[in-house]
Amino acid sequence: DTGVSQDPRHKITKRGQNVTFRCDPISEHNRLYWYRQTLGQGPEFLTYFQNEAQLEKSRLLSDRFSAERPKGSFSTLEIQRTEQGDSAMYLCASSLGLASSGEQFFGPGTRLTVL
Amino acid sequence: AQTVTQSQPEMSVQEAETVTLSCTYDTSESDYYLFWYKQPPSRQMILVIRQEAYKQQNATENRFSVNFQKAAKSFSLKISDSQLGDAAMYFCAYSIAGGTSYGKLTFGQGTILTVHP
Repeated sequence: DTGVSQDPRHKITKRGQNVTFRCDPISEHNRLYWYRQTLGQGPEFLTYFQNEAQLEKSRLLSDRFSAERPKGSFSTLEIQRTEQGDSAMYLCASSLGLASSGEQFFGPGTRLTVL
Repeated sequence: AQTVTQSQPEMSVQEAETVTLSCTYDTSESDYYLFWYKQPPSRQMILVIRQEAYKQQNATENRFSVNFQKAAKSFSLKISDSQLGDAAMYFCAYSIAGGTSYGKLTFGQGTILTVHP
């Protein structure tokens, strides 16, 4: 297992377009998190899953954002009608949940640029 | 709501010297975790060190150690014998230790560490 992977690594889109990002967690990890990081800032929590259930969503996650984790494996994050303010790095992380003592393993991120 | 504050946007250190990065946090919880994560330029974030709030002993991982002051809600990271590879953005982070929000990380703003040869 090579860790958490994310695809694509970079995405450039025009305002108003829809984009979808994928995250593949470490295979035995039951928890999956999404964070957003703007330049020079710390990541901000967006949402997380335990297996296939989405347990919490941040107020940052507007109606244009939707995340899924079918069958508790990979996850997708979709942004509809993108806006320039959506430009950021989107980070995915996974963990073993309560067995992990809180440690999360991060992917390399997807950098989104909205023109 | 929990908050994490890193008051040092940038720090620098000479190779082989020691540097301390500061972090304060605010929470009403009694049981939680604190972390320092490292994010090298254009590379993914990795865990440096973790502290469990119920443990009074400060965590240590090789050249990295923390000074955890629970009453003062302070959690600083000391890097000894600094190496060029330590250059990165360092984030202090908090997570509650149980409940629905267990595992959700709240990050500070980060401190850019530069290591001079």
